[in-house]
Amino acid sequence: AQKVTQAQTEISVVEKEDVTLDCVYETRDTTYYLFWYKQPPSGELVFLIRRNSFDEQNEISGRYSWNFQKSTSSFNFTITASQVVDSAVYFCALSDGTSGTYKYIFGTGTRLKVLA
Amino acid sequence: EAGVAQSPRYKIIEKRQSVAFWCNPISGHATLYWYQQILGQGPKLLIQFQNNGVVDDSQLPKDRFSAERLKGVDSTLKIQPAKLEDSAVYLCASSRTSGRASTGELFFGEGSRLTVL
Repeated sequence: AQKVTQAQTEISVVEKEDVTLDCVYETRDTTYYLFWYKQPPSGELVFLIRRNSFDEQNEISGRYSWNFQKSTSSFNFTITASQVVDSAVYFCALSDGTSGTYKYIFGTGTRLKVLA
Repeated sequence: EAGVAQSPRYKIIEKRQSVAFWCNPISGHATLYWYQQILGQGPKLLIQFQNNGVVDDSQLPKDRFSAERLKGVDSTLKIQPAKLEDSAVYLCASSRTSGRASTGELFFGEGSRLTVL
């Protein structure tokens, strides 16, 4: 069975600090996809990144970076020099890649509070 | 490009009453999803449509929930009769296509918050 675990329920940091959000997943599939979504107070989930199971390269996009390690089944997300606008709930998600349709399993989310 | 539209944003009903939520996906998006998000939890898939056909409704409580997407565009999710545990945000999402050519990115609406008293 597929499962996504985000052990950190809530994190508070002071602006300009770096913060890492953890994501651990379980799947028996060899082909799968991992995602991160941001849910600001408005409620609309916003796509941040997709990674497929064959691409373990880390990715950096501005202040955001992602570390994918198949050996530990983790897909962690780091925000460098956090800003108040980063305050949101962040969800990690897993989808199989063989059914032809994307069926997401979401984690329970990590609420990030960035204090000015 | 207009985003995913949902209505109403908020709804308060008493248990055993009925409620309907409407979703209009992004134009041209063939796949439409309804998710239930209970406070403090991640979204849980209720039903997935590909055009006007159902791809997955395995987690839809069919004794009280129903959904349709008659013309392959907008969709309605209905709950009848509602229970206290149905209090949640109902999120609609759409994606450009399905299958291996798709990036899998979901575009979400702002959700419809239901409170059942």
